[in-house]
Amino acid sequence: DAGVTQSPTHLIKTRGQHVTLRCSPISGHKSVSWYQQVLGQGPQFIFQYYEKEERGRGNFPDRFSARQFPNYSSELNVNALLLGDSALYLCASSSGQPPNYGYTFGSGTRLTVV
Amino acid sequence: AQTVTQSQPEMSVQEAETVTLSCTYDTSESDYYLFWYKQPPSRQMILVIRQEAYKQQNATENRFSVNFQKAAKSFSLKISDSQLGDAAMYFCAYRSLLTQGGSEKLVFGKGTKLTVNP
Repeated sequence: DAGVTQSPTHLIKTRGQHVTLRCSPISGHKSVSWYQQVLGQGPQFIFQYYEKEERGRGNFPDRFSARQFPNYSSELNVNALLLGDSALYLCASSSGQPPNYGYTFGSGTRLTVV
Repeated sequence: AQTVTQSQPEMSVQEAETVTLSCTYDTSESDYYLFWYKQPPSRQMILVIRQEAYKQQNATENRFSVNFQKAAKSFSLKISDSQLGDAAMYFCAYRSLLTQGGSEKLVFGKGTKLTVNP
C-alpha cells in the first residue's frame, strides 16, 4: 500500500502569491491533518479534517484554509504569502476513529517564499 | 493549553551505547497519549513509540523504551545499542484522548538532534 503522498515536494513562491498543497492519505484513512514545521522547530498543528468536515484548527491566520474531498484527499491553501510562511508542510493521516494510536506522516512539501 | 518541552537541543552517543532523550509536558488532563517521533533528513516523521497515560507499564519497542512518570509529567526515550541509522531529529508529542468530534491535534516539542558516532 502507498503511504501518505504529498505534492509537490518543493516549490518556490513570491510574496503575495497563493499556493495549494496536496495530500493523499493512506487507503482507508478518513482523517487528514496538516502541520507547519519551521526550520529548527517542531511541527505546529494547522488543521484536521475528518469525513470532509473541519475537526480542529490551530492558531493560524485566515490566510490558511483547507478542505477534504470525497476520496479523503486534502488541499491546504495559503493566500497572500509572507516570508514567514516558508516552512515544511506536513500532512498526516489516520483512521479518525478510536482506538486511534497514531498517525502516518508524508514526507512534506518544502515551501520557500521569496 | 498543553505544552511539550525537550530541554536537550542536541545529544550524541557512541555506536552500540545507550542514550536517553528527555521530554516533559504540561497538561491538566488525566487521559492522553504520548509519542516519540523520529525525523531523518528524508523529512518524514516516523513513529518510534507511543504510551497511553492510563497504562502504568512503560512501553517498549525493540531497542527503544520509555520511562513514563505521570506524576512528574516526564516521558523520556531510551535507545539501547545505538546504531548509525538512529541518527535523526527526535520529537516528543502529546495528544488528548480522542473524543467524538474532538480534534486529534498533536503538540510537539522542539526536538533533539541525535548524532551517533561510529
